[in-house]
Amino acid sequence: GEDVEQSLFLSVREGDSSVINCTYTDSSSTYLYWYKQEPGAGLQLLTYIFSNMDMKQDQRLTVLLNKKDKHLSLRIADTQTGDSAIYFCAAGVTNAGKSTFGDGTTLTVKP
Amino acid sequence: EAQVTQNPRYLITVTGKKLTVTCSQNMNHEYMSWYRQDPGLGLRQIYYSMNVEVTDKGDVPEGYKVSRKEKRNFPLILESPSPNQTSLYFCASRAGTGGYGYTFGSGTRLTVV
Repeated sequence: GEDVEQSLFLSVREGDSSVINCTYTDSSSTYLYWYKQEPGAGLQLLTYIFSNMDMKQDQRLTVLLNKKDKHLSLRIADTQTGDSAIYFCAAGVTNAGKSTFGDGTTLTVKP
Repeated sequence: EAQVTQNPRYLITVTGKKLTVTCSQNMNHEYMSWYRQDPGLGLRQIYYSMNVEVTDKGDVPEGYKVSRKEKRNFPLILESPSPNQTSLYFCASRAGTGGYGYTFGSGTRLTVV
């Protein structure tokens, strides 16, 4: 089955850019997502990218997809303390209920 | 407000006592899913449903049951809970087409003693 891997921790200074990386194994994955989880809360969808796209930008967020290497990244520009959270990468196939999540990357933003 | 509602938020129970965690969504979503979140293990899918009366196993279905009798509801049933089912549980739903992501509930923290 699908396996999604992420590094567990990332620490940056306020104002810097953050880059969170993710790799997945199933080349048939047709959509890839980034979710954010703040303490004590559920997961919130941040952005998504379809497998036929290379890049997607949404305000401070940039998602890059390298389909050949099955590598996904999330770049957060001008990182703020409010961005401190756990970020999950997820992969799935269109019209299938199964979605596989990575273990999450804990982002710490220092003032 | 579009949302996924889980109840209860917190639950402490004893081994073997049957329990149900309810989940309801108001977005007319076809897909619903249950996940458990454990430290060091990330988020693992328990069961999912692609429509009414259609359910399928995720990665960790043992010890759990689900049903989808109505589109909006997807309860998670633990017939005989055990301490290894102590976890944070999330219900989620999404539309069937378009590949849009799941909307998650706020979570249910279950402790089995």
